[in-house]
Amino acid sequence: KAGVTQTPRYLIKTRGQQVTLSCSPISGHRSVSWYQQTPGQGLQFLFEYFSETQRNKGNFPGRFSGRQFSNSRSEMNVSTLELGDSALYLCASSLAGRGTETQYFGPGTRLLVL
Amino acid sequence: SQQGEEDPQALSIQEGENATMNCSYKTSINNLQWYRQNSGRGLVHLILIRSNEREKHSGRLRVTLDTSKKSSSLLITASRAADTASYFCATGSYNNNDMRFGAGTRLTVKP
Repeated sequence: KAGVTQTPRYLIKTRGQQVTLSCSPISGHRSVSWYQQTPGQGLQFLFEYFSETQRNKGNFPGRFSGRQFSNSRSEMNVSTLELGDSALYLCASSLAGRGTETQYFGPGTRLLVL
Repeated sequence: SQQGEEDPQALSIQEGENATMNCSYKTSINNLQWYRQNSGRGLVHLILIRSNEREKHSGRLRVTLDTSKKSSSLLITASRAADTASYFCATGSYNNNDMRFGAGTRLTVKP
């Protein structure tokens, strides 16, 4: 079975721009969660989608948004980028949800905001 | 917000030695998981232990869970240089389908 894939792997943007990151979960997995990882804040939960519906949301500003498609692929969008958005963005998929079972992580997208 | 707190924050040992990492949490949980992350990469799931279990083994890994003390430990026996990574505990709750990660323990195994 193919693992979780994320594209792009690396991204450089400037302040004020917007960015869209993509995540393809393991086949059959309906839950996709997104995390932001920085040296200072660690792993912070952004949001979880299950069957195209946002099920949970972390404490991030509205500039961070996401969606999930009928094939379970998910995208997250960050608008009006700030320097502090530089981070490794990880997505993870699971069959039923992040609180109940193992999550399978993708390799991440490293975003640098200049 | 994070729930688990790993201890120690960093650990350095020689190859062949055992490494023990601890995780404490605050609220009731349904399961606790341990993940490994090699530098700048995605997390790899190591082991999941449910709240009604006390100990679990997987290869050189041994995880214990004490729900009365709200703590867990991960033991890696006969460590190898390839075990060098950051290790995270994550607590899972069926209530609102929540999962929270700790800040991690950075393990360095010297050859």
